[in-house]
Amino acid sequence: EDQVTQSPEALRLQEGESSSLNCSYTVSGLRGLFWYRQDPGKGPEFLFTLYSAGEEKEKERLKATLTKKESFLHITAPKPEDSATYLCAVYPQGGSEKLVFGKGTKLTVNP
Amino acid sequence: EPEVTQTPSHQVTQMGQEVILRCVPISNHLYFYWYRQILGQKVEFLVSFYNNEISEKSEIFDDQFSVERPDGSNFTLKIRSTKLEDSAMYFCASPKGASGGAQETQYFGPGTRLLVL
Repeated sequence: EDQVTQSPEALRLQEGESSSLNCSYTVSGLRGLFWYRQDPGKGPEFLFTLYSAGEEKEKERLKATLTKKESFLHITAPKPEDSATYLCAVYPQGGSEKLVFGKGTKLTVNP
Repeated sequence: EPEVTQTPSHQVTQMGQEVILRCVPISNHLYFYWYRQILGQKVEFLVSFYNNEISEKSEIFDDQFSVERPDGSNFTLKIRSTKLEDSAMYFCASPKGASGGAQETQYFGPGTRLLVL
């Protein structure tokens, strides 16, 4: 069964304290890995798409990387406005169009 | 960023009642998807809809659920007889590219919070 596991479940950082979130996946094949940001009571907001091992994407303080078994979302010098839940999702191999999501990492950045 | 809209933002209903959730996906798109998120749990796939037909559905999407495209731009998710466990956030999603489908990024709407009493 296709599975996506995110760690840690929750992370507290001080403003400016860099860290990384992990997304490991167990799928029969990977057609795409996606990172979303979700604020409380809102829909997932798209951040990045990664398709192949070694690929990297950057946006402001965020950088996503992909290996054959996991992805990392690196947050450099975070600010309080980066506080949110970060979701990882994959398109497994095969004809399925559904995204399989992890539970997310709840990030809190204290000023 | 492309915008998907959903109405209502909140819905409270009594167990056994029918509810209809509405979505306006990115314009002129043939693909859209419904997901749900029970409080504190993962976002779960419900159904995908392509060119006026269901293309894939999950085990959650039983006979109580249906999707329709009543006009050219709106899509609906209907729950015929709601249960307490249907309480969740319901999201619709739409790709941006014209082709849609596999590997396309899915853009999510703001969601409808459904509470079944």
